[in-house]
Amino acid sequence: DTEVTQTPKHLVMGMTNKKSLKCEQHMGHRAMYWYKQKAKKPPELMFVYSYEKLSINESVPSRFSPECPNSSLLNLHLHALQPEDSALYLCASSPLTKLAYTQYFGPGTRLTVL
Amino acid sequence: AQSVTQPDIHITVSEGASLELRCNYSYGATPYLFWYVQSPGQGLQLLLKYFSGDTLVQGIKGFEAEFKRSQSSFNLRKPSVHWSDAAEYFCASGGSQGNLIFGKGTKLSVKP
Repeated sequence: DTEVTQTPKHLVMGMTNKKSLKCEQHMGHRAMYWYKQKAKKPPELMFVYSYEKLSINESVPSRFSPECPNSSLLNLHLHALQPEDSALYLCASSPLTKLAYTQYFGPGTRLTVL
Repeated sequence: AQSVTQPDIHITVSEGASLELRCNYSYGATPYLFWYVQSPGQGLQLLLKYFSGDTLVQGIKGFEAEFKRSQSSFNLRKPSVHWSDAAEYFCASGGSQGNLIFGKGTKLSVKP
């Protein structure tokens, strides 16, 4: 099973709202990732967690706050977003072995900021 | 810096025709290479990957790719395209931090 699940599938929020995106995997992977994808563009890496610790932050604005409460779960907390943050947010996971580069993606959360 | 180039933004093929999507990478050592497919509004599905060994790699859905070090290429092929193959295709290589470096993608349209 190579399934990564993400909830919600769609999210509409105002610029003053606080919301969270959730990602879950049960493959025993120890690396988890958040990507942002705008229309007609490739995914852009936002954050990487390795063994539940933040290892890469690609200079993401502080209105995005990641959290990895355990090895199976990854959250992305959203606060005071801007309309330009509207995008598809993808979660991925990978094992921490030579195959670490093999990332398995979830279906994404389509976020609209009004 | 590492980079991945997909020279074709959009390709249209007829159903039943063969397909080749091009991908070039820049990396000194043997790269880890991947092809992903993305249907509209969906996540990315891994089609195949190359780490080492046999340079012709078989993937899911009848796709294959060939690693050619001399040409720095990892082109994706399928002998007979189905209408359901219409999607965006991304080539990627493994970055130095365990991240993925994506090409800009190639949109495949399939004519009936």
